[in-house]
Amino acid sequence: DAEITQSPRHKITETGRQVTLACHQTWNHNNMFWYRQDLGHGLRLIHYSYGVQDTNKGEVSDGYSVSRSNTEDLPLTLESAASSQTSVYFCASSTGLNTGELFFGEGSRLTVL
Amino acid sequence: AQTVTQSQPEMSVQEAETVTLSCTYDTSESDYYLFWYKQPPSRQMILVIRQEAYKQQNATENRFSVNFQKAAKSFSLKISDSQLGDAAMYFCAYRRRGDKIIFGKGTRLHILP
Repeated sequence: DAEITQSPRHKITETGRQVTLACHQTWNHNNMFWYRQDLGHGLRLIHYSYGVQDTNKGEVSDGYSVSRSNTEDLPLTLESAASSQTSVYFCASSTGLNTGELFFGEGSRLTVL
Repeated sequence: AQTVTQSQPEMSVQEAETVTLSCTYDTSESDYYLFWYKQPPSRQMILVIRQEAYKQQNATENRFSVNFQKAAKSFSLKISDSQLGDAAMYFCAYRRRGDKIIFGKGTRLHILP
C-alpha cells in the first residue's frame, strides 16, 4: 500500500545543532508539505513543494529549509535548532489539482534543549 | 489572505448525543475545498469529510455530516450518536484548487460516558 513515512518519530537535540527530518511518500504525489503543530496554533505551514526542484515558503519558514530532488522525498532541515522550534512536525502530500485531500505522515516530535 | 476560524477551543458532549463543531472561513475565491480532519491521541491526522464548494449538497459520511453555507462562509461539522472513539482534536481546513491547505486552530472534543 502507498504511504507517507516520517523519521525520526522522536528526536531530542541541543540548541544550535542542525537537524533534518525525513519525509518519504510512495503515493507518487507532486505536492508535499511540512506543517508544525503547537498548542493553540493548530497546524502552520512551514514549506511546500509542487514538484521536483520546486520549493516555497509557508507562513512560518524562518529557520527552516527544504529541498526536492525527487518526487518521493521532502526533507526538512533546521539549520541551527532553537528552543522555539520544539514542536510536532507533520509531513503531508497530495495529488495535483483535483482531489484536494492531504495524506499525512504520523508526525515527528522534536525537542530542542 | 484566506483564514479559517474555529471559535470553540473545547467542547463536550454526552455519549450517544449529537454535537456540532463550528468553522468559518474567509476567501474571495469561488472554487475551493473544505475539510474536517480528526486527530485522536495517536496523533495521526485522519480525514473525516470533504466538501467541494461548487456542490450545493452537504457532504455526509456515516454519522458525520456538514452544514455548508457558502454565502455565509460557514462549514460546521455535525457528529450524530457520539461515541467514545470520537474524542479527538478536530481541525477545519480550506484549500483553493491547486493551492496549499490552511487549517484552523482546532476544537478539542470530549465525549462524556
